[in-house]
Amino acid sequence: SQKIEQNSEALNIQEGKTATLTCNYTNYSPAYLQWYRQDPGRGPVFLLLIRENEKEKRKERLKVTFDTTLKQSLFHITASQPADSATYLCALANTNAGKSTFGDGTTLTVKP
Amino acid sequence: KAGVTQTPRYLIKTRGQQVTLSCSPISGHRSVSWYQQTPGQGLQFLFEYFSETQRNKGNFPGRFSGRQFSNSRSEMNVSTLELGDSALYLCASSSGTGTLGQYFGPGTRLTVT
Repeated sequence: SQKIEQNSEALNIQEGKTATLTCNYTNYSPAYLQWYRQDPGRGPVFLLLIRENEKEKRKERLKVTFDTTLKQSLFHITASQPADSATYLCALANTNAGKSTFGDGTTLTVKP
Repeated sequence: KAGVTQTPRYLIKTRGQQVTLSCSPISGHRSVSWYQQTPGQGLQFLFEYFSETQRNKGNFPGRFSGRQFSNSRSEMNVSTLELGDSALYLCASSSGTGTLGQYFGPGTRLTVT
């Protein structure tokens, strides 16, 4: 069965450092990989989408890589800030983002 | 553009009852998806509607159903509620073509007692 694993449940880093979150998947050949941010009690917020034929995508301080051979995506937040503290979810989709399979998320805490 | 709205935000029901949740997508979005989020199972896909047709369905029992109207607004219905149905129900809208991600509403917190 399809499985998505996000490297750890929690990640603590110091302000200003780069946070790197990992998303690994098995038994899946996704056409799209997405990253979302979720704050407690709120719905997820879409951050970035990368297609299977793209290796890397950037948006401001965010960078996503997608390696379909390793079946892995890395999500980087550079110059992290306490406001970046949240749970980050990885999601995969085949035909369109409307049917996505989500990982359990990694809770990032950025300490001042 | 206004974001995705969901009503009601909070709901308390008794086992055996039924409930209807509503979702209004972002203007212009034709795809509406529903997800269930619980601490133990995470975000689980329920179903997706596109242009009033159910395009995809997750692995949930038939007690969970939905529909989409011509204005893209969607409703989700759960019949014969069980304690395990207590969860945050999230609606997400997207263009439906896969070129962009999904935009989630704030969710409806359903508690079944």
